[in-house]
Amino acid sequence: KNQVEQSPQSLIILEGKNCTLQCNYTVSPFSNLRWYKQDTGRGPVSLTIMTFSENTKSNGRYTATLDADTKQSSLHITASQLSDSASYICVVSPSYNTDKLIFGTGTRLQVFP
Amino acid sequence: EAGVAQSPRYKIIEKRQSVAFWCNPISGHATLYWYQQILGQGPKLLIQFQNNGVVDDSQLPKDRFSAERLKGVDSTLKIQPAKLEDSAVYLCASSSRGAVPQETQYFGPGTRLLVL
Repeated sequence: KNQVEQSPQSLIILEGKNCTLQCNYTVSPFSNLRWYKQDTGRGPVSLTIMTFSENTKSNGRYTATLDADTKQSSLHITASQLSDSASYICVVSPSYNTDKLIFGTGTRLQVFP
Repeated sequence: EAGVAQSPRYKIIEKRQSVAFWCNPISGHATLYWYQQILGQGPKLLIQFQNNGVVDDSQLPKDRFSAERLKGVDSTLKIQPAKLEDSAVYLCASSSRGAVPQETQYFGPGTRLLVL
């Protein structure tokens, strides 16, 4: 069964600190992996997208890594800001249907001053 | 570039009533998706349109849910009759379905439905 699991479920950090969110997936064959940010009451917004041949992708203070061999990805947030408080969702697309998005349950991040 | 528009933003109904949601995708986007997101979970695909044709509706509860995209642009999602477990956020997304397989899906703000 194609699954995407994320950890931790929730995380609290202080403003200015770094953090790393984890994603493990069993989707196979695999086409690409995305990280989305979802603010409360809003739709998800794409942060990064990586194909199986890429192992890192950055978007400002967000850096995603991918290990296609171990089927693991991480999202590292540097120098966190209050506006980073949101849910971060790992999403994987299978090769047999690249339009299909298989969503993880997300990590709820709260950044405190 | 205008984003994906959805209305209404919030809706409260009683069980067994009917409700409809509307979505206007980004101009030129051929592919449109409806997702259901229950609190604390990731979005679940209900239906995917390519222009005005259905690509995937395998997870749409067809006994009560219906969706259409008659002119290949706007779309409506209807629930009739609603159940308590339908309380969720209904997200609409669109993508341009270009030659690049990892085309980004752009999400609307969602419609938050509460069934009492």
